[in-house]
Amino acid sequence: QQQVKQSPQSLIVQKGGISIINCAYENTAFDYFPWYQQFPGKGPALLIAIRPDVSEKKEGRFTISFNKSAKQFSLHIMDSQPGDSATYFCAALNTGNQFYFGTGTSLTVIP
Amino acid sequence: DAGVTQSPTHLIKTRGQQVTLRCSPKSGHDTVSWYQQALGQGPQFIFQYYEEEERQRGNFPDRFSGHQFPNYSSELNVNALLLGDSALYLCASRRGLSQETQYFGPGTRLLVL
Repeated sequence: QQQVKQSPQSLIVQKGGISIINCAYENTAFDYFPWYQQFPGKGPALLIAIRPDVSEKKEGRFTISFNKSAKQFSLHIMDSQPGDSATYFCAALNTGNQFYFGTGTSLTVIP
Repeated sequence: DAGVTQSPTHLIKTRGQQVTLRCSPKSGHDTVSWYQQALGQGPQFIFQYYEEEERQRGNFPDRFSGHQFPNYSSELNVNALLLGDSALYLCASRRGLSQETQYFGPGTRLLVL
């Protein structure tokens, strides 16, 4: 059973555009929601994270929007750049300190 | 400051064999988790070690076992390899069992033929 559902599977965006990736979860025991960026041949790297008591968090061009009632959260990448082309994973941490990951979104930013 | 390191980077084994993968956590980190990432999928939690004990375990069979040493480094052992064990194995470390921020290593790519 997939604890965290992620969409879309792949995304193509023009340079300067906005990339939006969505995730949904069922387990209300999750209390920390990070996003990871992974380049080919590398391990995932933490990008930005949010806790459920906050509806939005922004760090540079990256913003997480969190809707606790809908059990959904999303990553917005503003002014997308070719260097942002990577696979993005959402994740959720439960109170037992175990992370669950989404299936990933392959982002391609076209120059 | 070295981040999380893993060895080897790549490995080829045949069905039925056994494999040992190694991980050194980031300096100052004492908690190590192992993940399996199949091609095109997100990482799946295998287990987590803290104070040399397995603290959490995901939905993986007993063929997957591990160990943590006094210097916090860790090993992942997989016995009786199956073709389906082919994946990228990731190690992640953090400072403390309850710390939320974890750092991943580059992974070990295992191919089972």
